[in-house]
Order: sequence, then structure tokens, then C-alpha cells
Amino acid sequence: QSVLTQPPSVSAAPGQKVTISCSGSSSNIGNNYVSWYQQLPGTAPKLLISDNYKRPSGIPDRFSGSKSGTSATLGITGLQTGDEADYYCGTWDSSLGAYVFGTGTKVTVL
Amino acid sequence: QVQLVESGGGVVQPGTSLRLTCAASGFTFRNYGMHWVRQAPGKGLEWVAVIWYDGSNKYYADSVKGRFTISRDNSKNTLYLQMNSLRAEDTAVYYCASGRGDADTLYFDYWGQGTLVTVSS
Repeated sequence: QSVLTQPPSVSAAPGQKVTISCSGSSSNIGNNYVSWYQQLPGTAPKLLISDNYKRPSGIPDRFSGSKSGTSATLGITGLQTGDEADYYCGTWDSSLGAYVFGTGTKVTVL
Repeated sequence: QVQLVESGGGVVQPGTSLRLTCAASGFTFRNYGMHWVRQAPGKGLEWVAVIWYDGSNKYYADSVKGRFTISRDNSKNTLYLQMNSLRAEDTAVYYCASGRGDADTLYFDYWGQGTLVTVSS
């Protein structure tokens, strides 16, 4: 099982905000940068956030990332139906010598 | 534009082998580390392996170590994954992804569409 823990699901009404937590340890989040990926149904993952908080070109500023200690958070504001997807955090784990993904969170727009 | 196109997936029996291919275009392939990531049906993402930009170093997830081999041909802009001794638990969609940064800053900026590998008798 994954060493990064995320809530299985979060939901909110259109226009509202959701936050997704990603909890790890000193061997991963605590000492390495976190990235976030969005996976729309039936498609490949897509980079949303790199380096804890940086948005690649084309990613709207409704998406934000932050990190504190051994946890990271993805925020989505102004929720849209098109945001319904699975979201994964990821980082390198220095103890495992491997890249690790979070357990994934399904976002539902009510 | 950047394109990563996987191929080689299919249905195979346990204990057999399969080689996946990822054809890259739209970026300077030889400058980037490349990764394989898989996703079992209905499950989350699992990192499988990485190969450095020049092929000098390779690292694997414990679940595939000793059975899978990652390689690349920079002259052909192509990434490979040789999978031997396949098991039912290797059944997944396999994605190739380009990696940016060093280990402590690593992220995957581009992903292929994936190729499905099904291991079943």
C-alpha cells in the first residue's frame, strides 16, 4: 500500500472550494518536493502542480498547492463539473529509493 | 507538441514475457529521465521504474525488481520495458512519463495514453 495517505473522496457544490490532503513522512514529503496529478475518467494523469506549489503553463490559478512539514495540500476553488476526477499527490521517497504516489482522492461536484 | 505513445500491451499468460515500447517526439528525449508508471484496474498509480537520460542508472519498484528491465534508445527516441515472469498482479495500464528535476524535486510533466497489459491464464 502507498506511503502517502489521501482521503478517498471529497465533494462540494459548483463554485465552492475543496482541499485534498496528502500525508507522508520525513523520508518523502518532509524532505522532497511534492507534485499533484489530475486523472479525468478514462484518461492518462496530467500534471497540475510541481515543486509543492508551481502551476505548469495552462493550469488555471483555481488550483493551488502547499506543503507544511510532512503533509501537502491541493486546493481547488471555483469548483466546476469538469474538475470531477481522481487526484494524486507524488514525491520521491529517499528511504525506499522510489517515487511514491498517494492513495488518490475522487473529487465529486454535487 | 510533446507526444508519448506506448505500444506492446496485450493478453499474456502468467510466467511469460512482454516488451512495451514508448515512442517520444516533440522534445529532446536524450536530455530527460524517463519513467514507467502503472495502474491496475480500478486502482491508484504505482511507479515502476526510471532510467536516467543517458541510460547510466536505472531504479525499480520492489514489486518488479529482478523481473522487469527498463532501457532506452536515444537514437530512436524510444523507451522500453521488458517484462519477464509476468504475474496476474502485473495486470495494469502502463504509462510512460517524462521526468523533470532530480530525485528530490522529481515530477512527471508529460504522460502517454497508456497500454493495457493483462496477465491471465
